[in-house]
Amino acid sequence: AQSVTQPDIHITVSEGASLELRCNYSYGATPYLFWYVQSPGQGLQLLLKYFSGDTLVQGIKGFEAEFKRSQSSFNLRKPSVHWSDAAEYFCAVSTTSGTYKYIFGTGTRLKVLA
Amino acid sequence: EPEVTQTPSHQVTQMGQEVILRCVPISNHLYFYWYRQILGQKVEFLVSFYNNEISEKSEIFDDQFSVERPDGSNFTLKIRSTKLEDSAMYFCASSEVRGTEAFFGQGTRLTVV
Repeated sequence: AQSVTQPDIHITVSEGASLELRCNYSYGATPYLFWYVQSPGQGLQLLLKYFSGDTLVQGIKGFEAEFKRSQSSFNLRKPSVHWSDAAEYFCAVSTTSGTYKYIFGTGTRLKVLA
Repeated sequence: EPEVTQTPSHQVTQMGQEVILRCVPISNHLYFYWYRQILGQKVEFLVSFYNNEISEKSEIFDDQFSVERPDGSNFTLKIRSTKLEDSAMYFCASSEVRGTEAFFGQGTRLTVV
């Protein structure tokens, strides 16, 4: 079955520290991978996407993610976290064949300490 | 920048009442979706829509739910007889191509009392 796993429910980092949020997927077809961010009471904003090619992709707000097929992972990283990055982060997967939906992980809530 | 817009932002309704949630997808997008998020929980797929018909739906999307694209711009989700457990944030999304990035609206918070 298709699934996305985000093993960390909560992560707390200090402002200025580096960040890595983990995402693992289980998908039979070639996946398209996404990271979305949700601020409290807000919608889902696309941070970055991976379709093919270079496995390190850059997104908005200084985020990047690396696709590792051998590990079925698509971890999100940021070298220096800002207080405004506090939010919930969702990894998602889709495909252009088979299903017509995006499958989301359970999310990781990021707290940033001043 | 084009965006998906949803109305209303908040809706309170009595149990058993019908509600219609409205969405205006991005104009050149062809694929439309509804998701919901119960408070503090994961984002759950409800339904996808393409070429004026449902492409896929989840177990949640039972006979109480329906979707419609009544004109060239709106995409609606109707819940015929709301239950307390329908209380959630409902998100509309659209994508230009199947499987590529989906853009989400700000959501409609539905509260059933």
